[in-house]
Amino acid sequence: GQQLNQSPQSMFIQEGEDVSMNCTSSSIFNTWLWYKQDPGEGPVLLIALYKAGELTSNGRLTAQFGITRKDSFLNISASIPSDVGIYFCAGTSRKGKLIFGQGTELSVKP
Amino acid sequence: EPEVTQTPSHQVTQMGQEVILRCVPISNHLYFYWYRQILGQKVEFLVSFYNNEISEKSEIFDDQFSVERPDGSNFTLKIRSTKLEDSAMYFCASSDTGTDTQYFGPGTRLTVL
Repeated sequence: GQQLNQSPQSMFIQEGEDVSMNCTSSSIFNTWLWYKQDPGEGPVLLIALYKAGELTSNGRLTAQFGITRKDSFLNISASIPSDVGIYFCAGTSRKGKLIFGQGTELSVKP
Repeated sequence: EPEVTQTPSHQVTQMGQEVILRCVPISNHLYFYWYRQILGQKVEFLVSFYNNEISEKSEIFDDQFSVERPDGSNFTLKIRSTKLEDSAMYFCASSDTGTDTQYFGPGTRLTVL
């Protein structure tokens, strides 16, 4: 079945540093989404990507949908302590279900 | 801003008991989903629902599971006879179109003893 490989699994960074994480797949996805999840809560949508090659920003966050529709990256610039959490990439299959990556756990040291 | 809501936030049940998890999707959305997340793992798709019928379901969604939209606002997930391995966070999500962005609820933590 379709799978997403997300890396890195975890990151420990200093406040103010930039962060980059990415997802790859052997399958093509229609839509690529990035979510953030805090402990005990549901995933919160950060950025949605709909077109191959699309580059979208949301404040300090920037994400791109790969030209082959098989990969995506998320960058966070000038990290702050509230960026702590688990970041998931997710791809939408043809029928609409979301396939999630394994997550990247981000820790930010003040 | 409209949001997906779920109740209860935490459900504790004995193995073999039936549980019903409830969701109120965003009001003008037409597509509804249930996902599951076992502690420390990724979010997994269970089932999608549109036009009062299941559109797609995963291998996890066996005969013990069922979904229903009993009225114009609620969307429920029923587990008929819970097993220990059903312990997880269950998330409801909804979207405007079948391939549009999905918005998640806060989840129900199910603990099966």
